Amino acid sequence: DADVTQTPRNRITKTGKRIMLECSQTKGHDRMYWYRQDPGLGLRLIYYSFDVKDINKGEISDGYSVSRQAQAKFSLSLESAIPNQTALYFCATSGGWTGQETQYFGPGTRLLVL
Amino acid sequence: AQSVTQPDIHITVSEGASLELRCNYSYGATPYLFWYVQSPGQGLQLLLKYFSGDTLVQGIKGFEAEFKRSQSSFNLRKPSVHWSDAAEYFCAVIVDGGSNYKLTFGKGTLLTVNP
Repeated sequence: DADVTQTPRNRITKTGKRIMLECSQTKGHDRMYWYRQDPGLGLRLIYYSFDVKDINKGEISDGYSVSRQAQAKFSLSLESAIPNQTALYFCATSGGWTGQETQYFGPGTRLLVL
Repeated sequence: AQSVTQPDIHITVSEGASLELRCNYSYGATPYLFWYVQSPGQGLQLLLKYFSGDTLVQGIKGFEAEFKRSQSSFNLRKPSVHWSDAAEYFCAVIVDGGSNYKLTFGKGTLLTVNP
């Protein structure tokens, strides 16, 4: 079984709809991250969480919110989806506090906003 | 602000040829450096990382990378490319110091391998 899972894997929605992307991990890591990937732009950090009570904005948090329901679960919400939020979204996790830890990525959620 | 530059958007090599993917970072201190690979339809997987010590690091799948402080570079190399290496490659950095260790990614280099 995969260590980092994301649901759904693909999603089509309409402008103005609220949607939630979910991430679960079995690695026992404290840190979790949400990224978005756009062609030619690499990955950009949306939100990150260092533990259940800690939520931090990344470089492109506008239009998004997150919830850390448990150590193993970190959800990303689009309150009112817009077409330029069409992208590939990745969840990642890491453990430890040295900065040297590997981040482990989920398989991604491909989102299309019409 | 720290930044990562991957000058080559797309590289095409023949199977069996050598490969070098370039990565430059802009930051005064030595960052933590990573290379990730994204195969089609999949998430990112760590190839290798550098923190300190020997400037030539070995990774998985036969890849290696060399840190050159004078050039602020961390180029990825492989002596003989296999068709399965076709993927997108991302260089990333974490700046040492502080309590927020966040990865900053380059924009990626897409590798095509010709038979």
